[in-house]
Amino acid sequence: GNSVTQMEGPVTLSEEAFLTINCTYTATGYPSLFWYVQYPGEGLQLLLKATKADDKGSNKGFEATYRKETTSFHLEKGSVQVSDSAVYFCALSSYTGANSKLTFGKGITLSVRP
Amino acid sequence: ETGVTQSPTHLIKTRGQQVTLRCSSQSGHNTVSWYQQALGQGPQFIFQYYREEENGRGNFPPRFSGLQFPNYSSELNVNALELDDSALYLCASSLIGGVQETQYFGPGTRLLVL
Repeated sequence: GNSVTQMEGPVTLSEEAFLTINCTYTATGYPSLFWYVQYPGEGLQLLLKATKADDKGSNKGFEATYRKETTSFHLEKGSVQVSDSAVYFCALSSYTGANSKLTFGKGITLSVRP
Repeated sequence: ETGVTQSPTHLIKTRGQQVTLRCSSQSGHNTVSWYQQALGQGPQFIFQYYREEENGRGNFPPRFSGLQFPNYSSELNVNALELDDSALYLCASSLIGGVQETQYFGPGTRLLVL
């Protein structure tokens, strides 16, 4: 079956540091890949997505490239801010007939210190 | 803001009771998916509704059931509540009709079973 593996957390960085959060996946077919962010006490917000191999998703300074050869979708940001502190989830969408469901990783908590 | 709303925001029930959670989808969307997020975990797919019918189900028992209405809003019903049902319940709306449609989440309903 489909699965998503995220690096173990939590991650604590100083403001303006470089961020990498690793994500690898196992899936049949050609899934779409997503990063969602969850701020304390809130639901999930879509951060970025990529729908095919070598696509790069980007938003708010975050980037991730769909690497089919390494089955990875690592999240990066060049300079993090305190406001980026949240839980980050990598997910894939498997499309079976007319049904698509999201399979999520366990999430990783990012804390950014001033 | 995704335009997906959920009610109530918080709920406390006792073991054995029944609960109904509600979700209004984003304008223009025709599909609602429900997820259960236990504390410290990634969301798990419960089921999806499209055209008022269940359109795929995750590994959840039959006491988890749902409805979708002609206006595409949806309900999640859980009977015979168990302590392990305590979680954040998220709904997501999307548009089936395109390839690999994106799911947009509401803020969630936090259920506590005592």
